[in-house]
Amino acid sequence: DAGVIQSPRHEVTEMGQEVTLRCKPISGHNSLFWYRQTMMRGLELLIYFNNNVPIDDSGMPEDRFSAKMPNASFSTLKIQPSEPRDSAVYFCASSRGQGGNEQYFGPGTRLTVT
Amino acid sequence: GENVEQHPSTLSVQEGDSAVIKCTYSDSASNYFPWYKQELGKGPQLIIDIRSNVGEKKDQRIAVTLNKTAKHFSLHITETQPEDSAVYFCAASTGDSTLTFGKGTMLLVSP
Repeated sequence: DAGVIQSPRHEVTEMGQEVTLRCKPISGHNSLFWYRQTMMRGLELLIYFNNNVPIDDSGMPEDRFSAKMPNASFSTLKIQPSEPRDSAVYFCASSRGQGGNEQYFGPGTRLTVT
Repeated sequence: GENVEQHPSTLSVQEGDSAVIKCTYSDSASNYFPWYKQELGKGPQLIIDIRSNVGEKKDQRIAVTLNKTAKHFSLHITETQPEDSAVYFCAASTGDSTLTFGKGTMLLVSP
């Protein structure tokens, strides 16, 4: 199994630009999670999908952030417009069943907004 | 909602010593407690988990204990090796909810 796949691995962009992060969950997993990790705030859950439907988006910081899951094998997290404070590592994770089961993380996307 | 506290934030041990990381949680309904290891530049990796119907679980050099009455659980690593150096996260959930993570413990094992 290839595990959770994320792209790009690194992204450097200028403030105001649109950023799109991509995730392919493990085949057969029906829950998908987007997290943000920073030194100050640790690991924060941004949004959780189950069967392609957003279940909990209370962690999405503001309207500049949006996430979609058009099918069971693909999800995107978009930031528009990006700001320097969005600089962080963004992780995607997937699991079988509900949100409280074993989650498997991707390698992350390190985002730097200048 | 759930709140998970993790201690210590950093832990330094000599190779061969044991390491213990402790977490407390607030929601008495929580019943699933995983531990993740995150190496530099990588995503968190699930290393062991425990459910509330057991008090202890072992896997080679690592073990997790759970005290539901006191609402705390611990990770024990015996015979530590330099490759155990990483950041370790505990988490808790009720099974229906998402995971709530602790702030992490940076473990440094010196040769």
